[in-house]
Amino acid sequence: QSVLTQPPSASGTPGQRVTISCSGSTSNIGSYTVNWYQQVPGTAPRLLIYGDDQRPSGVPDRFSGSKSGTSASLAITGLQSEDEANYYCATWDGSLNGRDWVFAGGTKLTVL
Amino acid sequence: EVQLVESGGGLVQPGGSLRLSCAASGITFNNYWLYWVRQAPGKGLVWVSRINGDGRSTKYADSVKGRFSISRDNAKNTVYLQMNSLRDEDTAVYYCARDRTGNTGGPGWWGRGTLVTVSS
Repeated sequence: QSVLTQPPSASGTPGQRVTISCSGSTSNIGSYTVNWYQQVPGTAPRLLIYGDDQRPSGVPDRFSGSKSGTSASLAITGLQSEDEANYYCATWDGSLNGRDWVFAGGTKLTVL
Repeated sequence: EVQLVESGGGLVQPGGSLRLSCAASGITFNNYWLYWVRQAPGKGLVWVSRINGDGRSTKYADSVKGRFSISRDNAKNTVYLQMNSLRDEDTAVYYCARDRTGNTGGPGWWGRGTLVTVSS
């Protein structure tokens, strides 16, 4: 049972906008920045968003992140079939010197 | 090219031991925190352990504390995970990852993983 909560599934049709939420608390999302990872089944996770809303080089600008208080969100605009994957939010939890890295349970995104 | 390559996985009986290795190339290794993350079949990502840049500070998930040990050899650009007293529930793909910024960014670069199967 993770301290971060995501919906287990989400879906959309090509071209649509989809959002995935990530809920936490003051000891994690409320205190640290959030990363988002994309994992296509059978492959390794890939960093999609870091620092709440920053995209690594090579990540399309269709992907965006935001945070407010103890919740974060990932938005995907212009949904494409290749976006079908599992998405995980993650951040630190706990005090600065004793913090652990935590992942949410993940959201399976289906492109209909 | 940035590469993190895990090795050492395989089939082991309950109660047995395995040592995983993760070799880095094309990426700065020293002074960066390193992580092990696992994923049981059909399940999500779970952080297992992390080690700081000089190897003197380590941390473990409660589920593996006292059984797993992380270490690193900066001269060889390699991080290890010694896994003892393995249980069925340790069956997973194990990924190593390097921190994005040093010690605050979380996992940034990931290896492809190595499968550990604990079964009699």
